[in-house]
Amino acid sequence: NAGVTQTPKFRILKIGQSMTLQCTQDMNHNYMYWYRQDPGMGLKLIYYSVGAGITDKGEVPNGYNVSRSTTEDFPLRLELAAPSQTSVYFCASSLAGEVNEQFFGPGTRLTVL
Amino acid sequence: AQTVTQSQPEMSVQEAETVTLSCTYDTSENNYYLFWYKQPPSRQMILVIRQEAYKQQNATENRFSVNFQKAAKSFSLKISDSQLGDTAMYFCAFTAAGGTSYGKLTFGQGTILTVHP
Repeated sequence: NAGVTQTPKFRILKIGQSMTLQCTQDMNHNYMYWYRQDPGMGLKLIYYSVGAGITDKGEVPNGYNVSRSTTEDFPLRLELAAPSQTSVYFCASSLAGEVNEQFFGPGTRLTVL
Repeated sequence: AQTVTQSQPEMSVQEAETVTLSCTYDTSENNYYLFWYKQPPSRQMILVIRQEAYKQQNATENRFSVNFQKAAKSFSLKISDSQLGDTAMYFCAFTAAGGTSYGKLTFGQGTILTVHP
């Protein structure tokens, strides 16, 4: 199993541009999550999904959108990028009913200039 | 809402010695899970140890153990026989076991641990 994969690894955006961060898991996990980690800080939940077609906001959802059309994929969309969105983004997944362990992807480092 | 506080921004320890990282949390939930995650320079988040709140026995994983004090809302991590590979940022995290916060992790600010040879 590849686990949780994220693309791209790095990206530089200009203010106002848009992009999609991709996340795929091959463990047949129902739950998926997007976190952001600002420099020197802990992770904060952006959005999460408990299954295909079901998404909900986390602690810091403003400026982002998600969709969950399949069990495997959970893309994160940034519209009108702002410098405040400069961060490292982590995708994670877990089995429903075994929420006590989340498996994380390697992260995407995003810089908005 | 839950909060997780790690009051030690940085810690250092000599190889083979023991170090304890502190974590306190605040919640109104009665049943929940607590975790310690390790983030080495590679940025990968690695689960070190977890504790279920309804279990009184402290969790242990090889050289890693916790001191869980539910009444005090304290959850410290003890690393014994420290190794150079333990150098990393360590995060304490919390999730409720039910309700609207089910499955959502709340992280502390992290503690940078450096193990010196």
